[in-house]
Amino acid sequence: DAKTTQPPSMDCAEGRAANLPCNHSTISGNEYVYWYRQIHSQGPQYIIHGLKNNETNEMASLIITEDRKSSTLILPHATLRDTAVYYCIVRPRSNDYKLSFGAGTTVTVRA
Amino acid sequence: GAVVSQHPSWVICKSGTSVKIECRSLDFQATTMFWYRQFPKQSLMLMATSNEGSKATYEQGVEKDKFLINHASLTLSTLTVTSAHPEDSSFYICSARGGLAGGGRGEQYFGPGTRLTVT
Repeated sequence: DAKTTQPPSMDCAEGRAANLPCNHSTISGNEYVYWYRQIHSQGPQYIIHGLKNNETNEMASLIITEDRKSSTLILPHATLRDTAVYYCIVRPRSNDYKLSFGAGTTVTVRA
Repeated sequence: GAVVSQHPSWVICKSGTSVKIECRSLDFQATTMFWYRQFPKQSLMLMATSNEGSKATYEQGVEKDKFLINHASLTLSTLTVTSAHPEDSSFYICSARGGLAGGGRGEQYFGPGTRLTVT
């Protein structure tokens, strides 16, 4: 499975957009990019996923570069409740649907 | 939609006893359920994958006789930690994957976790 690289931590201001980068330079053509987040002492929450096109939902936008070697998760208007560990995961388009969690990015939204 | 519950949310038990944790998908049928373990300040580690009506598949290094998994129905999976010891103290999280029928995307949805403390 392709590995991902994320910055260990980042701060952002409440009300501003938060842009979370993820490198996945060894991604293959049949692998999806998934984003989950985990608020302290809770189970992970699904945010968004994509294959090659940019995606948007009610929580966030996912921008995937044309070569698919990196992506950015955008939280358009960060709130204090968005403080969490954000995980970028590459998952093969296979039947087992396993997710391999790395260290993620600890995002702290400050008032 | 896509709610997964776990029970109990926390449990304290004595060393040598067994503890059962339940994972339920409340509003969808889960073709596959996963069990993870998370130690403090670490990421989630997949322990096993279970499909309804079949034996669980354990990840390398996870003792199948110690962590018994039963997936008896499409909405319930249980993890039993047998003969628990203090080193088994951890945050146990399950996830459930829905099917693709009815417009589902087959994504994994996670439970809130169960904090186990073995004294």
